[in-house]
Amino acid sequence: DTAVSQTPKYLVTQMGNDKSIKCEQNLGHDTMYWYKQDSKKFLKIMFSYNNKELIINETVPNRFSPKSPDKAHLNLHINSLELGDSAVYFCASTPRLAGETQYFGPGTRLLVL
Amino acid sequence: DAKTTQPPSMDCAEGRAANLPCNHSTISGNEYVYWYRQIHSQGPQYIIHGLKNNETNEMASLIITEDRKSSTLILPHATLRDTAVYYCIVRGRDMRFGAGTRLTVKP
Repeated sequence: DTAVSQTPKYLVTQMGNDKSIKCEQNLGHDTMYWYKQDSKKFLKIMFSYNNKELIINETVPNRFSPKSPDKAHLNLHINSLELGDSAVYFCASTPRLAGETQYFGPGTRLLVL
Repeated sequence: DAKTTQPPSMDCAEGRAANLPCNHSTISGNEYVYWYRQIHSQGPQYIIHGLKNNETNEMASLIITEDRKSSTLILPHATLRDTAVYYCIVRGRDMRFGAGTRLTVKP
């Protein structure tokens, strides 16, 4: 029944490792997003994909690579993890590209040691 | 960057109306005002949105001034479970979150 789901919910890893976070939405939406919420609680957009095509790519290090195998999935792969990558990562989706309500996932809490 | 200004925190007594203000003086004519809230560390939850007219749904009411430069979210009968950070967002191409207002509902 979950509209937007993320796995894993928690991720603890060492600096320098490579990890992936997965997101799936069963709403039939065309557009998906990744947001990062840091320790100061600011929620910042990282990427958005529309029908598997990259639309928004904010100033994010190229260690972060989103991948959309189909429009229901948007995964986030992070290479060479750094301490500053520790944050909560939220996935979201909307029916179309603009002017629509976003539905957020429960978040993935990443801790880099 | 967020195009809205909100007070950092507010308190409200349980059962009373919570009125959360938001300034968005640079809003464009086709940009919607959206309100979301985030309870503890959960994902943001949609509350309501509007363009020009006042809006009401089962969760809240949204009052937008005639010049559209500000709006107020009204929770008519706040409960303890409404304690959260409330975000006012001007929706352009994407959703830009500001710092929000931390609403604390007290018994």
